[in-house]
Amino acid sequence: QQQVKQSPQSLIVQKGGIPIINCAYENTAFDYFPWYQQFPGKGPALLIAIRPDVSEKKEGRFTISFNKSAKQFSLHIMDSQPGDSATYFCAASMRTGANNLFFGTGTRLTVIP
Amino acid sequence: GAVVSQHPSRVICKSGTSVKIECRSLDFQATTMFWYRQFPKQSLMLMATSNEGSKATYEQGVEKDKFLINHASLTLSTLTVTSAHPEDSSFYICSAREGQKTYEQYFGPGTRLTVT
Repeated sequence: QQQVKQSPQSLIVQKGGIPIINCAYENTAFDYFPWYQQFPGKGPALLIAIRPDVSEKKEGRFTISFNKSAKQFSLHIMDSQPGDSATYFCAASMRTGANNLFFGTGTRLTVIP
Repeated sequence: GAVVSQHPSRVICKSGTSVKIECRSLDFQATTMFWYRQFPKQSLMLMATSNEGSKATYEQGVEKDKFLINHASLTLSTLTVTSAHPEDSSFYICSAREGQKTYEQYFGPGTRLTVT
């Protein structure tokens, strides 16, 4: 059972556009929601993360919007660049228990020059 | 900071042989390390979690006798794929976490295993 659902599977935007990637979860025990960026043949790199006590977090061109009541969170990339072309994974974890990361299925983003 | 390395980055081995992959935390002590497997264009699948000095905890469906994990120190974990077969060919990624109650996991660059 997929604990974190991610959409879309792929996304193509023009340079300067604002791609939005969405994730949804069911387990209300999750209390940490990171986003990872992965280039082909490389490991994932942590981009930005949010806790459920805030509705938005911004770091540079990357913004997470978090809707606790809807159990949804999304990643917005402002002024997207061709160098942002990568696969993006959302994830969720909880501090109790094993504290493992549950990953979404990934979104392959292509930014066209 | 928070750099995790993996070695080797690529390995090709013959069917029936064993392969060892190392995962090191370079600038922090990793109380917990995780091993993931990733097939092309798919998400990361957690294989096992290991705490320093303890036996690894394997996810359902992962053969612990085939994928041997050792976490002998706070900076090193190894994954040994025993009696490798072509279906074991995959991208193996480790990650490390500094404390039991911290959230962040830092990922290594991955190891591409090809079994011929």
